[in-house]
Amino acid sequence: ELKVEQNPLFLSMQEGKNYTIYCNYSTTSDRLYWYRQDPGKSLESLFVLLSNGAVKQEGRLMASLDTKARLSTLHITAAVHDLSATYFCAVDILRHSASKLTFGTGTRLQVTL
Amino acid sequence: DGGITQSPKYLFRKEGQNVTLSCEQNLNHDAMYWYRQDPGQGLRLIYYSQIVNDFQKGDIAEGYSVSREKKESFPLTVTSAQKNPTAFYLCASRVDSLDYGYTFGSGTRLTVV
Repeated sequence: ELKVEQNPLFLSMQEGKNYTIYCNYSTTSDRLYWYRQDPGKSLESLFVLLSNGAVKQEGRLMASLDTKARLSTLHITAAVHDLSATYFCAVDILRHSASKLTFGTGTRLQVTL
Repeated sequence: DGGITQSPKYLFRKEGQNVTLSCEQNLNHDAMYWYRQDPGQGLRLIYYSQIVNDFQKGDIAEGYSVSREKKESFPLTVTSAQKNPTAFYLCASRVDSLDYGYTFGSGTRLTVV
């Protein structure tokens, strides 16, 4: 059974600081996604990582993937209050022509002034 | 604009009552999914469908039923057998191609009264 673990579960950080969210998964993955969720809202797609060593950046967020270690990271640079949200990683596995996402538990990020 | 429409946004269910959540997409996507989210937790897969007239159970299918009579529609019925249905329900779809991504609806919040 695929397990996806994120840590930390809750992160309170000051504006301007850097931090990293970690996503570990237990089996070989075809691709890995990062999503953002604001309270009461749906998921917003941030990144799709397709292969080992993939790195993607958008603004203050950068995601990377190490398939050998089964680890993805979401790095936050110089945090701002607008980044406060819950962040999920999700692992996508294609088996017998069926693909489905398995989500981590999420990391609730609170950026304080 | 293409997208996924979930309705209603809020739904209240009495004990012992069946309710149906609607999910419609005009993206011409092949696969559709239903996820459940409980407060402070990640998303868990209820059911998914790769093609019309075919669907598979996810990790927490007990107490739920689905149908896929049309490519655009994937309604979820929460039956009286689901003892704890209060949650946020998200529908998603995915195009069946090498370069695929998931699109999520805006969600339905179901509360038992």
